[in-house]
Amino acid sequence: DAKTTQPNSMESNEEEPVHLPCNHSTISGTDYIHWYRQLPSQGPEYVIHGLTSNVNNRMASLAIAEDRKSSTLILHRATLRDAAVYYCILRDADKLIFGTGTRLQVFP
Amino acid sequence: EADIYQTPRYLVIGTGKKITLECSQTMGHDKMYWYQQDPGMELHLIHYSYGVNSTEKGDLSSESTVSRIRTEHFPLTLESARPSHTSQYLCASSDSGEMNTEAFFGQGTRLTVV
Repeated sequence: DAKTTQPNSMESNEEEPVHLPCNHSTISGTDYIHWYRQLPSQGPEYVIHGLTSNVNNRMASLAIAEDRKSSTLILHRATLRDAAVYYCILRDADKLIFGTGTRLQVFP
Repeated sequence: EADIYQTPRYLVIGTGKKITLECSQTMGHDKMYWYQQDPGMELHLIHYSYGVNSTEKGDLSSESTVSRIRTEHFPLTLESARPSHTSQYLCASSDSGEMNTEAFFGQGTRLTVV
């Protein structure tokens, strides 16, 4: 399974943008990049995914490097409810393999 | 809203008991998954299924077993619970085969074996 590397933790102030990086240098041409987040005491929830082009949805934006070896999840205006562990995953057709993720703290 | 349900949410049980954790989804998804997660740690895939009568072991070895007799139901069983099985167990499902589909997770079952 292809691996991803994320910082262990990041901090942000409320209302500020947050850029969560992910490295996936061994990505294959058919791997989709998925992001999930896990709020305290909850199961993970889907955030966004992409293949080559940048993607936007109501929750976040996903910026994918041209060589696809890295990506960045962008929260445009962080809120206290965005405090969670964010997982960057290379989606295998059979499995979803989680790494250690980035714990995002948001301060008022 | 995700239509995937896990019961019970919390379970405290004695060593040696047999337990079954329930997971059901109403989305008609073929793929289903079980993950184990210790507090503050990452999720580890322990079982998954492609569809009815299909079960596969995940990346983390587990003494639990699963069955998939119906599309919507993917129960996990521990024949003889031990304190080392204390953990959170998360169930998920996704549409079949495609890497560009999202997975939906249940709320989890927090198991404590005393």
